[in-house]
Amino acid sequence: KNEVEQSPQNLTAQEGEFITINCSYSVGISALHWLQQHPGGGIVSLFMLSSGKKKHGRLIATINIQEKHSSLHITASHPRDSAVYICAVMIDGNKLVFGAGTILRVKS
Amino acid sequence: EPEVTQTPSHQVTQMGQEVILRCVPISNHLYFYWYRQILGQKVEFLVSFYNNEISEKSEIFDDQFSVERPDGSNFTLKIRSTKLEDSAMYFCASSALSGIQPQHFGDGTRLSIL
Repeated sequence: KNEVEQSPQNLTAQEGEFITINCSYSVGISALHWLQQHPGGGIVSLFMLSSGKKKHGRLIATINIQEKHSSLHITASHPRDSAVYICAVMIDGNKLVFGAGTILRVKS
Repeated sequence: EPEVTQTPSHQVTQMGQEVILRCVPISNHLYFYWYRQILGQKVEFLVSFYNNEISEKSEIFDDQFSVERPDGSNFTLKIRSTKLEDSAMYFCASSALSGIQPQHFGDGTRLSIL
């Protein structure tokens, strides 16, 4: 059983649309990360959350610890947001367990 | 902004050869990690390292793998006798404090085993 499940696997949006990517996990965690991976392969950390909500520019991340669920929202999406978005949970304070990622394509 | 740097960006090696992947973590960070991503698959944890010793390792990190911090700046991953299935992207990451600080990732080393 996967400890981290993301949905959807693939998402195509029109420029300007509001986007939501979901992440559910089945284990106790100390924190949850949202990461962005571009076609070249590099990984960029977007957010680290242990409770509540964080906002950075057009990106918003929320987490519900009781429901073991997190969402990443992108407002006013743009083609440059096209990337793979990965949810990863920190277990035992020492290692990240990754979801399979959501492939986002924003069309102009 | 400080960043994690990895070298080389691409390494091609014959099966059975030893390979060393190099990483320079952010200078004031204390926790170091290696992850790998086989093409088309999810990123997987390999090992975490703190205070000059391994904190945790995954089942993937068998006797063929080793990590070292040979000096105050480099953090290396060695694969002793490479196999075809070691072909993957290898990411180094570092954090100031484990679990409560974000991990910063390098751009990765693409390892191709022939």
